[in-house]
Amino acid sequence: DGGITQSPKYLFRKEGQNVTLSCEQNLNHDAMYWYRQDPGQGLRLIYYSQIVNDFQKGDIAEGYSVSREKKESFPLTVTSAQKNPTAFYLCASRKAGGSYEQYFGPGTRLTVT
Amino acid sequence: KQEVTQIPAALSVPEGENLVLNCSFTDSAIYNLQWFRQDPGKGLTSLLLIQSSQREQTSGRLNASLDKSSGRSTLYIAASQPGDSATYLCAVESEDSSYKLIFGSGTRLLVRP
Repeated sequence: DGGITQSPKYLFRKEGQNVTLSCEQNLNHDAMYWYRQDPGQGLRLIYYSQIVNDFQKGDIAEGYSVSREKKESFPLTVTSAQKNPTAFYLCASRKAGGSYEQYFGPGTRLTVT
Repeated sequence: KQEVTQIPAALSVPEGENLVLNCSFTDSAIYNLQWFRQDPGKGLTSLLLIQSSQREQTSGRLNASLDKSSGRSTLYIAASQPGDSATYLCAVESEDSSYKLIFGSGTRLLVRP
């Protein structure tokens, strides 16, 4: 089955610790995205990548970092500099070069105490 | 800057009713508009993608329309069922920020048996 996987589903961390969220896709999509969703709100873009070894900041990149060493993988690190890290994190991907649908993974719920 | 609004924030209807969800956007220079469904605690499922040159798209009991000039889209759900209960989000890809989606905050739909 083709799709996007995110792991883990739930993640708990102490304040001050960095944590890395995994996102893998086997759809052969060039573009990948990370969003953050807070209760009752829409999605806000953290980072996106249109091609391997390249990525751009979204609207709320402060306190986050990413890498794109492989086409299939786009891990997100939530650093201790992120002031309110507790949220639902969603990874997405799409084909490049045209007007295509975005497909989403199942999400990771991060709780920082 | 593109802004996307969805009204109402929540909607409750009896089973079998036809219903319309609304989405409005401030900048008509878009490549496409996408409707998603989100179940509680889950990722987003793409329902329909309407290209800027299209007026509507249909999938089963769902019909989405797009009026670019007025900055509006509607999602029509025919003969609603309890299984349609979910949050519905719309998102636009603007011409000035391609590859990125701007999301509304969603309409939470409850279909009562």
